[in-house]
Amino acid sequence: EVQLVESGGGLVKPGGSLRLSCVVSGLTFTPVWMSWVRQAPGKGLEWVGRIKSVAAGATTDYAAPVKGRFTISRDDSKDTLYLQMNSLSTEDTAVYYCTTIKNVASAGDYWGQGTLVTVSS
Amino acid sequence: DVQMTQSPSSLSASVGDRVTLSCRASQSIKKNLNWYQQKPGKAPKLLIYAASGLQGGVPSRFSGSGSGTDFTLTISTLQPEDFATYHCQQTDTFPHTFGQGTKLEIK
Repeated sequence: EVQLVESGGGLVKPGGSLRLSCVVSGLTFTPVWMSWVRQAPGKGLEWVGRIKSVAAGATTDYAAPVKGRFTISRDDSKDTLYLQMNSLSTEDTAVYYCTTIKNVASAGDYWGQGTLVTVSS
Repeated sequence: DVQMTQSPSSLSASVGDRVTLSCRASQSIKKNLNWYQQKPGKAPKLLIYAASGLQGGVPSRFSGSGSGTDFTLTISTLQPEDFATYHCQQTDTFPHTFGQGTKLEIK
Protein backbone atom coordinates (compact mmCIF):
# COMPACT_ATOMS: atom_id res chain seq x y z
CA GLU A 1 0.00 0.00 0.00
CA VAL A 2 1.34 3.40 -0.98
CA GLN A 3 1.48 5.85 1.91
CA LEU A 4 2.56 9.48 2.08
CA VAL A 5 2.87 10.91 5.57
CA GLU A 6 3.43 14.62 6.05
CA SER A 7 4.74 16.19 9.22
CA GLY A 8 6.18 19.46 10.45
CA GLY A 9 3.11 21.66 10.40
CA GLY A 10 2.16 23.93 13.26
CA LEU A 11 1.78 27.50 14.43
CA VAL A 12 4.39 30.01 13.33
CA LYS A 13 4.60 33.79 13.55
CA PRO A 14 4.61 35.98 10.44
CA GLY A 15 8.12 36.18 9.03
CA GLY A 16 9.02 32.82 10.49
CA SER A 17 10.13 29.58 8.87
CA LEU A 18 8.97 25.99 8.87
CA ARG A 19 10.08 22.79 7.17
CA LEU A 20 7.56 20.18 6.15
CA SER A 21 8.47 16.55 5.49
CA CYS A 22 6.70 13.86 3.52
CA VAL A 23 7.79 10.26 3.96
CA VAL A 24 6.80 7.95 1.13
CA SER A 25 6.39 4.19 1.45
CA GLY A 26 4.95 1.38 -0.64
CA LEU A 27 6.64 2.41 -3.87
CA THR A 28 10.11 3.06 -5.21
CA PHE A 29 10.66 6.72 -4.40
CA THR A 30 13.74 7.38 -6.53
CA PRO A 31 12.13 7.72 -9.98
CA VAL A 32 8.99 9.49 -8.74
CA TRP A 33 8.36 13.17 -9.35
CA MET A 34 6.67 14.88 -6.41
CA SER A 35 4.63 17.97 -5.74
CA TRP A 36 3.15 20.07 -2.96
CA VAL A 37 -0.40 21.39 -3.05
CA ARG A 38 -2.03 23.54 -0.39
CA GLN A 39 -5.56 24.42 0.65
CA ALA A 40 -6.40 27.46 2.74
CA PRO A 41 -9.28 26.98 5.19
CA GLY A 42 -12.56 26.79 3.29
CA LYS A 43 -10.85 27.45 -0.04
CA GLY A 44 -9.88 25.54 -3.16
CA LEU A 45 -6.67 23.74 -3.99
CA GLU A 46 -3.53 25.68 -4.90
CA TRP A 47 -0.53 24.12 -6.62
CA VAL A 48 2.67 25.08 -4.77
CA GLY A 49 5.43 23.42 -6.77
CA ARG A 50 7.05 20.23 -7.93
CA ILE A 51 10.40 18.48 -8.07
CA LYS A 52 11.57 16.03 -10.67
CA SER A 53 13.48 12.87 -9.90
CA VAL A 54 17.24 13.06 -9.36
CA ALA A 55 17.73 11.23 -12.65
CA ALA A 56 15.81 14.04 -14.36
CA GLY A 57 17.92 16.65 -12.63
CA ALA A 58 15.81 17.19 -9.49
CA THR A 59 14.72 20.47 -11.02
CA THR A 60 11.97 22.45 -9.37
CA ASP A 61 9.12 24.69 -10.41
CA TYR A 62 7.10 26.96 -8.14
CA ALA A 63 3.94 28.98 -8.10
CA ALA A 64 4.52 32.72 -8.15
CA PRO A 65 3.23 33.40 -4.59
CA VAL A 66 5.90 31.12 -3.08
CA LYS A 67 8.79 31.50 -5.50
CA GLY A 68 11.88 32.77 -3.71
CA ARG A 69 10.45 31.90 -0.29
CA PHE A 70 9.76 28.17 -0.52
CA THR A 71 12.20 25.44 -1.52
CA ILE A 72 11.30 21.89 -2.45
CA SER A 73 13.96 19.22 -2.01
CA ARG A 74 14.20 15.47 -1.68
CA ASP A 75 16.37 12.89 0.03
CA ASP A 76 16.06 9.64 -1.87
CA SER A 77 18.08 7.78 0.78
CA LYS A 78 15.23 8.54 3.20
CA ASP A 79 12.32 8.34 0.74
CA THR A 80 11.47 11.83 1.89
CA LEU A 81 10.27 15.03 0.28
CA TYR A 82 10.72 18.41 1.94
CA LEU A 83 9.19 21.85 1.75
CA GLN A 84 11.26 24.60 3.35
CA MET A 85 9.08 27.65 3.92
CA ASN A 86 10.63 31.02 4.78
CA SER A 87 9.23 34.53 5.26
CA LEU A 88 5.83 33.12 6.03
CA SER A 89 2.78 35.35 5.94
CA THR A 90 -0.80 34.86 7.07
CA GLU A 91 -1.69 34.07 3.45
CA ASP A 92 0.37 30.89 3.70
CA THR A 93 -2.01 29.45 6.30
CA ALA A 94 -3.26 26.21 4.77
CA VAL A 95 -3.24 22.44 4.85
CA TYR A 96 -0.23 21.31 2.85
CA TYR A 97 -0.41 18.06 0.90
CA CYS A 98 2.42 16.18 -0.78
CA THR A 99 1.57 14.15 -3.86
CA THR A 100 3.28 11.77 -6.21
CA ILE A 101 3.08 12.77 -9.86
CA LYS A 102 1.73 10.28 -12.36
CA ASN A 103 3.73 9.95 -15.58
CA VAL A 104 0.66 10.77 -17.64
CA ALA A 105 -0.70 14.32 -17.51
CA SER A 106 1.35 15.06 -14.37
CA ALA A 107 -1.65 14.16 -12.26
CA GLY A 108 -1.32 13.82 -8.51
CA ASP A 109 -2.10 10.15 -8.06
CA TYR A 110 -1.19 9.54 -4.42
CA TRP A 111 -1.73 12.15 -1.71
CA GLY A 112 -0.73 12.44 1.91
CA GLN A 113 -3.25 13.26 4.63
CA GLY A 114 -2.03 16.84 4.84
CA THR A 115 -0.39 18.91 7.55
CA LEU A 116 -1.80 22.21 8.80
CA VAL A 117 0.38 25.31 8.80
CA THR A 118 -1.02 28.29 10.69
CA VAL A 119 0.74 31.64 10.39
CA SER A 120 -0.46 33.99 13.09
CA SER A 121 0.91 36.42 15.63
CA ASP B 1 -1.46 31.84 -15.66
CA VAL B 2 -4.17 29.60 -17.07
CA GLN B 3 -7.44 30.32 -15.29
CA MET B 4 -9.69 27.35 -14.65
CA THR B 5 -13.39 28.02 -14.15
CA GLN B 6 -15.71 25.30 -12.88
CA SER B 7 -19.46 25.40 -13.17
CA PRO B 8 -21.67 25.25 -11.36
CA SER B 9 -20.08 26.19 -8.03
CA SER B 10 -22.57 23.92 -6.31
CA LEU B 11 -25.13 21.43 -7.44
CA SER B 12 -27.92 19.56 -5.69
CA ALA B 13 -28.77 16.13 -7.04
CA SER B 14 -30.37 12.88 -6.00
CA VAL B 15 -29.03 9.35 -5.76
CA GLY B 16 -29.45 7.74 -9.17
CA ASP B 17 -29.18 11.00 -11.12
CA ARG B 18 -26.81 11.56 -14.03
CA VAL B 19 -24.64 14.59 -13.34
CA THR B 20 -22.30 16.60 -15.53
CA LEU B 21 -19.76 19.02 -14.13
CA SER B 22 -17.91 21.52 -16.30
CA CYS B 23 -14.42 22.98 -16.30
CA ARG B 24 -13.24 25.67 -18.72
CA ALA B 25 -9.68 26.83 -19.30
CA SER B 26 -8.75 30.38 -20.25
CA GLN B 27 -6.59 29.04 -23.08
CA SER B 28 -6.08 25.71 -24.78
CA ILE B 29 -4.59 23.07 -22.52
CA LYS B 30 -4.96 20.25 -25.05
CA LYS B 31 -5.96 17.24 -22.95
CA ASN B 32 -3.86 18.08 -19.91
CA LEU B 33 -6.76 18.12 -17.48
CA ASN B 34 -7.28 16.09 -14.32
CA TRP B 35 -10.29 15.66 -12.03
CA TYR B 36 -10.19 15.06 -8.29
CA GLN B 37 -12.82 14.23 -5.68
CA GLN B 38 -12.46 15.60 -2.17
CA LYS B 39 -14.55 14.77 0.88
CA PRO B 40 -14.58 16.98 3.99
CA GLY B 41 -11.41 16.70 6.03
CA LYS B 42 -9.80 14.36 3.52
CA ALA B 43 -7.14 14.62 0.84
CA PRO B 44 -8.22 14.84 -2.78
CA LYS B 45 -8.44 11.63 -4.76
CA LEU B 46 -7.55 11.39 -8.45
CA LEU B 47 -10.48 10.27 -10.58
CA ILE B 48 -9.63 11.18 -14.16
CA TYR B 49 -6.29 12.05 -15.76
CA ALA B 50 -5.49 13.40 -19.20
CA ALA B 51 -9.12 14.45 -19.66
CA SER B 52 -10.55 10.95 -20.07
CA GLY B 53 -8.29 8.39 -18.44
CA LEU B 54 -9.95 6.55 -15.57
CA GLN B 55 -7.62 6.20 -12.59
CA GLY B 56 -7.24 2.66 -11.31
CA GLY B 57 -9.81 1.66 -8.72
CA VAL B 58 -12.24 4.43 -9.68
CA PRO B 59 -15.75 3.20 -10.53
CA SER B 60 -16.70 3.21 -14.19
CA ARG B 61 -19.68 5.50 -13.50
CA PHE B 62 -17.13 8.32 -13.60
CA SER B 63 -16.06 9.52 -17.03
CA GLY B 64 -14.29 12.55 -18.43
CA SER B 65 -14.26 14.20 -21.81
CA GLY B 66 -13.09 17.30 -23.62
CA SER B 67 -10.01 18.90 -25.05
CA GLY B 68 -8.73 22.39 -25.68
CA THR B 69 -10.65 24.65 -23.33
CA ASP B 70 -13.85 22.77 -22.41
CA PHE B 71 -14.02 19.67 -20.27
CA THR B 72 -16.70 17.69 -18.48
CA LEU B 73 -16.85 15.14 -15.70
CA THR B 74 -19.90 12.91 -15.83
CA ILE B 75 -21.21 10.66 -13.08
CA SER B 76 -23.65 8.32 -14.78
CA THR B 77 -25.62 7.15 -11.74
CA LEU B 78 -24.99 9.04 -8.52
CA GLN B 79 -24.23 6.96 -5.47
CA PRO B 80 -24.41 8.19 -1.85
CA GLU B 81 -20.62 8.20 -1.59
CA ASP B 82 -20.27 10.55 -4.57
CA PHE B 83 -21.44 13.62 -2.68
CA ALA B 84 -18.25 15.61 -2.39
CA THR B 85 -16.36 18.51 -3.93
CA TYR B 86 -14.83 18.03 -7.36
CA HIS B 87 -11.77 19.90 -8.55
CA CYS B 88 -10.27 20.18 -12.01
CA GLN B 89 -6.58 20.91 -12.59
CA GLN B 90 -4.66 21.82 -15.72
CA THR B 91 -1.13 20.50 -16.10
CA ASP B 92 -0.35 21.98 -19.50
CA THR B 93 1.64 24.99 -18.31
CA PHE B 94 3.06 26.20 -15.01
CA PRO B 95 1.62 26.88 -12.56
CA HIS B 96 -0.61 23.83 -12.61
CA THR B 97 -3.74 25.69 -11.63
CA PHE B 98 -6.94 24.28 -10.14
CA GLY B 99 -10.50 25.36 -10.59
CA GLN B 100 -12.42 26.69 -7.60
CA GLY B 101 -14.31 23.43 -7.17
CA THR B 102 -17.88 22.21 -7.57
CA LYS B 103 -19.67 21.05 -4.44
CA LEU B 104 -22.09 18.24 -5.16
CA GLU B 105 -24.80 18.05 -2.51
CA ILE B 106 -27.71 15.76 -1.80
CA LYS B 107 -31.07 17.12 -2.87
